[in-house]
Amino acid sequence: KAGVTQTPRYLIKTRGQQVTLSCSPISGHRSVSWYQQTPGQGLQFLFEYFSETQRNKGNFPGRFSGRQFSNSRSEMNVSTLELGDSALYLCASSLLTGPYNEQFFGPGTRLTVL
Amino acid sequence: GQQVMQIPQYQHVQEGEDFTTYCNSSTTLSNIQWYKQRPGGHPVFLIQLVKSGEVKKQKRLTFQFGEAKKNSSLHITATQTTDVGTYFCAGPDDMRFGAGTRLTVKP
Repeated sequence: KAGVTQTPRYLIKTRGQQVTLSCSPISGHRSVSWYQQTPGQGLQFLFEYFSETQRNKGNFPGRFSGRQFSNSRSEMNVSTLELGDSALYLCASSLLTGPYNEQFFGPGTRLTVL
Repeated sequence: GQQVMQIPQYQHVQEGEDFTTYCNSSTTLSNIQWYKQRPGGHPVFLIQLVKSGEVKKQKRLTFQFGEAKKNSSLHITATQTTDVGTYFCAGPDDMRFGAGTRLTVKP
């Protein structure tokens, strides 16, 4: 099976712009989670989607939003970008939702905000 | 949500030395997972612990889940340069990932 794919891999934006990142989970996986990774903050949970419904949400401002499509592909959007949004954004898929499911991570999208 | 606390943040060892990272929670966990992220890579699942007092081994890696299911540890015996990376523990649901322990190994 193909792994989790994320596009684009690298992105450079300027403050105030918005950005959309895409994640395609492993075939058959219905849960997609998004994480922000920065050197100082580690892996911060953004949100999880399962069957097109947001199941869990982390402590991020409303500028961060996401959605999941019927084919389980997911997108996350960040509006009004700030310098502090520069990070590696990782998505992870799992077969089902719930705490006992192993997460498979994609390679990430490296976002730089200038 | 709450977050699992992980220590130490960094650990530098000489090749052949042992290494341990600890994960702690103020509340009982239904399970805990461990992941490894190599430099420049993405986290990769290592193992899941579910039972109180559970101990699992993967070659030189030993994983433990505390009796009270509030703490966990990962111990590596005789580290090798291939062990370099950041080790994360992850709690259930919105507890998510600890800050990670970054391991460097000097040959």
